[in-house]
Amino acid sequence: EVQLVESGGGLVQPGGSLRLSCAASGFTFSSYWMHWVRQAPGKGLVWVSRINGDGSSTTYADSFKGRFTISRDNAKNTLYLQMDSLRGEDTAVYYCARTSYSSNWYQDYWGQGTLVTVSS
Amino acid sequence: DIQMTQSPSSLSASVGDRVSITCRASQSISSYLNWYQQKPGKAPKLLIYAASSLQSGVPSRFTGSGSGTDFTLTISSLQPEDFASYYCQQTYSSPYTFGQGTKLEI
Repeated sequence: EVQLVESGGGLVQPGGSLRLSCAASGFTFSSYWMHWVRQAPGKGLVWVSRINGDGSSTTYADSFKGRFTISRDNAKNTLYLQMDSLRGEDTAVYYCARTSYSSNWYQDYWGQGTLVTVSS
Repeated sequence: DIQMTQSPSSLSASVGDRVSITCRASQSISSYLNWYQQKPGKAPKLLIYAASSLQSGVPSRFTGSGSGTDFTLTISSLQPEDFASYYCQQTYSSPYTFGQGTKLEI
């Protein structure tokens, strides 16, 4: 069974940093691109970043370039999101998602999400 | 960036109704369009990928159609468990933008 479990969320002050983790199981982690998507309270889904299977290629939405860093450790079957210079508007639930391909790319499995709250 | 516009933003319907949600892309995205369902406090769930392919395990009352810039998600006969929010997403080019969502209410 495919499982994605996020952790690392919590309360952080503006300007602070946080590293989110996403532990994967039930599939060959290194064979899949992985994504982060976030959702502010009461708002819609926002795509954040993606990384390829071996970690050599990463892409970010413009809003997160230079502040967020996606990475992975295939030996540990874990995806990461390092978030720096956090702002109040970064308060959101952060989801990791596995990406598959069949005619197009799609996120077929999602974690339960981890809540990040940026506040003084 | 490709903008995705869903309509309506909210929709009231009854069990057994047939409903449709539309998603329009700001430029052609071929069939690189996915639909997700999200219930309160839960992660999104993939319903349809590549505009019209039904994800394994998803009931056949969900259908997707369209290509280019205009897409539709149709639920043929609403069930109580279908009342949720629905999002389209394009994966044609980065950033992989989502529509603003459609809340389907009883």
